Amino acid sequence: EAGVAQSPRYKIIEKRQSVAFWCNPISGHATLYWYQQILGQGPKLLIQFQNNGVVDDSQLPKDRFSAERLKGVDSTLKIQPAKLEDSAVYLCASSLDGSENTEAFFGQGTRLTVV
Amino acid sequence: AQTVTQSQPEMSVQEAETVTLSCTYDTSESNYYLFWYKQPPSRQMILVIRQEAYKQQNATENRFSVNFQKAAKSFSLKISDSQLGDTAMYFCAFNTNAGKSTFGDGTTLTVKP
Repeated sequence: EAGVAQSPRYKIIEKRQSVAFWCNPISGHATLYWYQQILGQGPKLLIQFQNNGVVDDSQLPKDRFSAERLKGVDSTLKIQPAKLEDSAVYLCASSLDGSENTEAFFGQGTRLTVV
Repeated sequence: AQTVTQSQPEMSVQEAETVTLSCTYDTSESNYYLFWYKQPPSRQMILVIRQEAYKQQNATENRFSVNFQKAAKSFSLKISDSQLGDTAMYFCAFNTNAGKSTFGDGTTLTVKP
C-alpha cells in the first residue's frame, strides 16, 4: 500500500514569510496528525484530525499556524509569518482510527529552515 | 499530563551484540499503549514494537523485545544480535485514549562493525 506522502521535502524561507506543507495520508485512514520535530528532540503533536474534524490542537500556535483537512483526506499546514524558531522537520502521520492501540504511519517529513 | 523520558541521548553497540534502550514515563491513566519507533537517517519513522499496559507479558518482535515494568513505569527496548541496519534514532512513545501520542526525545543508536 502507498505510504504517507508529504511535500515539499525541503523548504528554506526568510523570517516573516509564509509557507505551506501538504500531506496525503494512507487511503482509508481516518486520523491524521501533524508533528513538529526540532533537531535533537522528539516529535511534538501540533494538531490531530479525525476525518475532517479537529480532535486536538492544544499545542498549535494559532497566531501563526493553521491547518485544514479537506474532505477528510489531504491536509495542509501553514505558517504565517514564520519565525526562526519554526525551523524544524514537520511530520505528517496517519492511523486507521486514532485509537490508543493503533500504529501511526509517518511520512518522510518536510525540513523547514527559516533564515 | 503525560511525559516520556529517554535518559540516554546516544548509545553504541558492536555488531551482533545486545543493547538495551531505556524509557520511563509518567501518567495517571490506567490503560494505555507504549510504542518504540525507529527513525533511520533521512528516512521515515516506523514502528518497531508495541505493548499494551494491561498485558503482563512482554512483547517481542524477532530480535526486538521489551521489558515492561508497569509499577515502575519503565519500558525498555532490547535489541539482540544488533545489525548495521539498526543504526537509527529510537523513540519511545505513549498513547492514551483517542490516540494522543507523547514522544520521548529519542536515543541515537550506532551499530559499529
